[in-house]
Amino acid sequence: EAQVTQNPRYLITVTGKKLTVTCSQNMNHEYMSWYRQDPGLGLRQIYYSMNVEVTDKGDVPEGYKVSRKEKRNFPLILESPSPNQTSLYFCASSPSGPLAEQYFGPGTRLTVT
Amino acid sequence: EDQVTQSPEALRLQEGESSSLNCSYTVSGLRGLFWYRQDPGKGPEFLFTLYSAGEEKEKERLKATLTKKESFLHITAPKPEDSATYLCAVQGFGNEKLTFGTGTRLTIIP
Repeated sequence: EAQVTQNPRYLITVTGKKLTVTCSQNMNHEYMSWYRQDPGLGLRQIYYSMNVEVTDKGDVPEGYKVSRKEKRNFPLILESPSPNQTSLYFCASSPSGPLAEQYFGPGTRLTVT
Repeated sequence: EDQVTQSPEALRLQEGESSSLNCSYTVSGLRGLFWYRQDPGKGPEFLFTLYSAGEEKEKERLKATLTKKESFLHITAPKPEDSATYLCAVQGFGNEKLTFGTGTRLTIIP
C-alpha cells in the first residue's frame, strides 16, 4: 500500500530533551516536506526537500533540523524542544514537487512541557 | 509573501443543501492552487489542482473554480460524509513551497 508513515504518533516530552520524528514513504517520491498545524494558523511548512541531500527552509524553520540521506526517509529533529513547538506535525511527499499531489502522513501530536 | 484567506471559518448545512466555500489569495504569479480535504485526526487528502483563471475541476459532488483572485469549492447536494475541513493552498512562481489557508470546517447535518 502506498503510504507515508510517521513515528511516533503521539509524544509528550520535556523542554530541552532532543527528539526525532521519523517520516518514511514507499512511493519513490522525490519531494518531501514537514508541516506543523496549529489552531487558527493552519498548516505551515517547516522544511522541504526536493531530492536526496537537498533541503530548504519553509516558513517556520527555527528550532528544527532535517536531513535527507535516503530518498524514502526525511526525519524531523528538534534538538532542544520548547513549549512553543507543541503542535500537530505532518510529513508529506509528492512525485516531483509541491505542484504535484502531496500525500500526507497520519500526523504526530507533540506536547512539550 | 503569498497569502490565503478562506471563508467562512465554519459552515453547517442540511443534507442536500448546496453551497460554496471561498478561497481568496494573493501571490506573485500563480503556479497552482490546491484544494485538500482533512478529516479529524488525519492528514490532508488531495482533491484538486487548478492552474489558471477560468479552469474548473469536478469530483463527485465537488467542483472547484478559479479566478485571478479567488477560488470556490462548490458542494452540490452534500451528504454527511462530506463533513470535513477543506483546505486551500497556493504555490507561487519562484518558490517550491505551499502556503495554506486556515480552512473551512464543513458539517453536513442528516
